[in-house]
Amino acid sequence: SQQGEEDPQALSIQEGENATMNCSYKTSINNLQWYRQNSGRGLVHLILIRSNEREKHSGRLRVTLDTSKKSSSLLITASRAADTASYFCATDHGGSQGNLIFGKGTKLSVKP
Amino acid sequence: SQTIHQWPATLVQPVGSPLSLECTVEGTSNPNLYWYRQAAGRGLQLLFYSVGIGQISSEVPQNLSASRPQDRQFILSSKKLLLSDSGFYLCAWSKQIYNEQFFGPGTRLTVL
Repeated sequence: SQQGEEDPQALSIQEGENATMNCSYKTSINNLQWYRQNSGRGLVHLILIRSNEREKHSGRLRVTLDTSKKSSSLLITASRAADTASYFCATDHGGSQGNLIFGKGTKLSVKP
Repeated sequence: SQTIHQWPATLVQPVGSPLSLECTVEGTSNPNLYWYRQAAGRGLQLLFYSVGIGQISSEVPQNLSASRPQDRQFILSSKKLLLSDSGFYLCAWSKQIYNEQFFGPGTRLTVL
């Protein structure tokens, strides 16, 4: 079945650096979403980008979507130690169900 | 504003015992409701979703079941737990399909 796959699986950077995470999927979608999960907690929605959008910003977050390559990227600029978390992309089926399929996530560690 | 509650937060159960996890949503009506399971270091696996009272769709055949006795109440159950049922269970809601999902704090289940 269709699945978003994040890359890399783990990323370690210094505070102040930018962090880029990528997501690839297999079939057409209506939208792609990014979520954040702190250890042992529920997921928090970050941003939703629709299939007819190419780029979206929210604060220090920048998301791009390339439907021709079936890929998306999440950029966190000027990272902070508090950004340490796992980040997941989620795609829908592209049909009428609308249920989300989550990837395995990228574990981001930002060192002070 | 909308809030989502899950309980208990943690649970340790012996193999073969029953299970009941409860999720309730406040501040909205007729939400779509979801149960996910997250194994350690893995992505989310959708278990059940519901678009209305008494309407349950199962994504993964297993010894778990779900019920929606009220509009904003979603219950995950099992008659006999297996070791493989251990994991982090997350409840989520969304207003419409394709929209962002809002997650509860999760229940950590350990089956011994």
